[in-house]
Amino acid sequence: ELKVEQNPLFLSMQEGKNYTIYCNYSTTSDRLYWYRQDPGKSLESLFVLLSNGAVKQEGRLMASLDTKARLSTLHITAAVHDLSATYFCAVEIGGSQGNLIFGKGTKLSVKP
Amino acid sequence: DAGITQSPRHKVTETGTPVTLRCHQTENHRYMYWYRQDPGHGLRLIHYSYGVKDTDKGEVSDGYSVSRSKTEDFLLTLESATSSQTSVYFCAISGVAGLPPEQYFGPGTRLTVT
Repeated sequence: ELKVEQNPLFLSMQEGKNYTIYCNYSTTSDRLYWYRQDPGKSLESLFVLLSNGAVKQEGRLMASLDTKARLSTLHITAAVHDLSATYFCAVEIGGSQGNLIFGKGTKLSVKP
Repeated sequence: DAGITQSPRHKVTETGTPVTLRCHQTENHRYMYWYRQDPGHGLRLIHYSYGVKDTDKGEVSDGYSVSRSKTEDFLLTLESATSSQTSVYFCAISGVAGLPPEQYFGPGTRLTVT
């Protein structure tokens, strides 16, 4: 059974600081996704990581994937209040088309 | 937005009644999914479809059924709603050739079973 663990589950940051969210998963997969969710809203796709060593960056967020370690990271650089949201990683079950197992999410709060 | 609508957006129903949620897409995506989101659980896959009349079970399918008679519509039915099915339900789509296999999510349906 594929399990996906995110940590931390809650993160309070000051503006301007850096931090990393970790996503560990239990079985082989080459596809990992990061999503953002604002309170009461739907999920927005942030990054699609499709191979070992993949790195994607958008603004202050950078995601990477190490399939050998079964680990993805979402790094936040110089956080700003607008990044406050819940971030989910999701791992695709090997051989499936889009059967995703989600982590429980990391609720990020960026304070002045 | 990826051209996905869900209806209704909010529903309150009583235990034991049947409920049908609708997901409609205008993107001609092959794959459609139903998830539920509950506090502390993230999102969990209920059922998915890989084409018209082709569906399969996900992680938490008990108590739910689905149908897909047209490419654009994917229906989720709770045959006899229970309080444990109170949740926010999201539909998602994916599967356009040549594009990354990411899923695009609808706005969600908040269902309360009393």
